[in-house]
Amino acid sequence: GQNIDQPTEMTATEGAIVQINCTYQTSGFNGLFWYQQHAGEAPTFLSYNVLDGLEEKGRFSSFLSRSKGYSYLLLKELQMKDSASYLCAVMDSNYQLIWGAGTKLIIKP
Amino acid sequence: DTAVSQTPKYLVTQMGNDKSIKCEQNLGHDTMYWYKQDSKKFLKIMFSYNNKELIINETVPNRFSPKSPDKAHLNLHINSLELGDSAVYFCASSPAGEVGEQFFGPGTRLTVL
Repeated sequence: GQNIDQPTEMTATEGAIVQINCTYQTSGFNGLFWYQQHAGEAPTFLSYNVLDGLEEKGRFSSFLSRSKGYSYLLLKELQMKDSASYLCAVMDSNYQLIWGAGTKLIIKP
Repeated sequence: DTAVSQTPKYLVTQMGNDKSIKCEQNLGHDTMYWYKQDSKKFLKIMFSYNNKELIINETVPNRFSPKSPDKAHLNLHINSLELGDSAVYFCASSPAGEVGEQFFGPGTRLTVL
């Protein structure tokens, strides 16, 4: 079966750095997405990786290793507004997005 | 300038009723989706649809049916609502081509009593 695993919840301190991991097993691979979802709101796109390596976008970076079935989202200089759920999703061979359950990130002052 | 809009935002109804949720996108996208997000926060794809093909998640009961009057709209009709249908339903769209970012609507919180 297809499976996306990520931690249920993480806590970090304002101004610090946090890494949210995602491992996947899917039938085929056409890229990995990270989305941010604030409570009561819709998911919004953060990043897309299809090749191995690190993609940096401001305070957020996303890393992919296809051979390991592994990705992480790195958030630097954490702000209170970064408190949200972070969803990892993989596009399979049928171009369908398979979603993880999300990691709830709690930022403390 | 709403990109993907859904109505209603909240829907409270009784078991056994039939209801519809509307979705419209003004992004010119070719593909639209319906997702269900339950209390455990899993996003589950229900349907994906473009002008060529409807792909149905086989786990979705046939009480759920998508209706697309045109490329910019994909409505969700639900017959004989059940308690387990209570969830947040998100509509999304993505551009032409097979790999692309999906843009989500604000969601419809459905509560079945």
